[in-house]
Amino acid sequence: EDQVTQSPEALRLQEGESSSLNCSYTVSGLRGLFWYRQDPGKGPEFLFTLYSAGEEKEKERLKATLTKKESFLHITAPKPEDSATYLCAVGSQGGSEKLVFGKGTKLTVNP
Amino acid sequence: DAGVTQSPTHLIKTRGQQVTLRCSPKSGHDTVSWYQQALGQGPQFIFQYYEEEERQRGNFPDRFSGHQFPNYSSELNVNALLLGDSALYLCASSWSGMETQYFGPGTRLLVL
Repeated sequence: EDQVTQSPEALRLQEGESSSLNCSYTVSGLRGLFWYRQDPGKGPEFLFTLYSAGEEKEKERLKATLTKKESFLHITAPKPEDSATYLCAVGSQGGSEKLVFGKGTKLTVNP
Repeated sequence: DAGVTQSPTHLIKTRGQQVTLRCSPKSGHDTVSWYQQALGQGPQFIFQYYEEEERQRGNFPDRFSGHQFPNYSSELNVNALLLGDSALYLCASSWSGMETQYFGPGTRLLVL
């Protein structure tokens, strides 16, 4: 059974203090690993899709990386507006269309 | 380019009632997936519709059913509501040739 574990559950940073969020996964065959950002009471907003180990993608202050067992979301010099819950999900091969999500990491960036 | 839209935004029902939630996919998308998100949890897959048929189903009882229309929009129906059905219901759309799913704003359902 596909599983996703995110750590830490919550993270408090000062503005400008860089850090990383972790997503560990087990999947029969990786079809894709997905990062989303979710604001309270809203739907998840797509950030990145990663397909194979060694792949990296960047968007503004965010950079996502992928290994065979985990993915990291690096946040460089965060701002208060980066405060949100960050969700990681995997899709597996073999005809499965669903995404399996972790519980998320709640990030708070203080000014 | 309109994104995924859902209606209604909020809904309050009582136990035993039935509810219908609606979703319009992002322009150009033909596949709709539904997820349930309890407070403090990640979204859980309910089912996916493609070409007006249920393509895959998650671990949800038959009280949860759906439909997809020829214009690719979709409905989620829940019968015999339980208190535990209170959650944020998310619709996600994608194009059958791509893996990435794009989510709507969700419908917040409260069952009393």
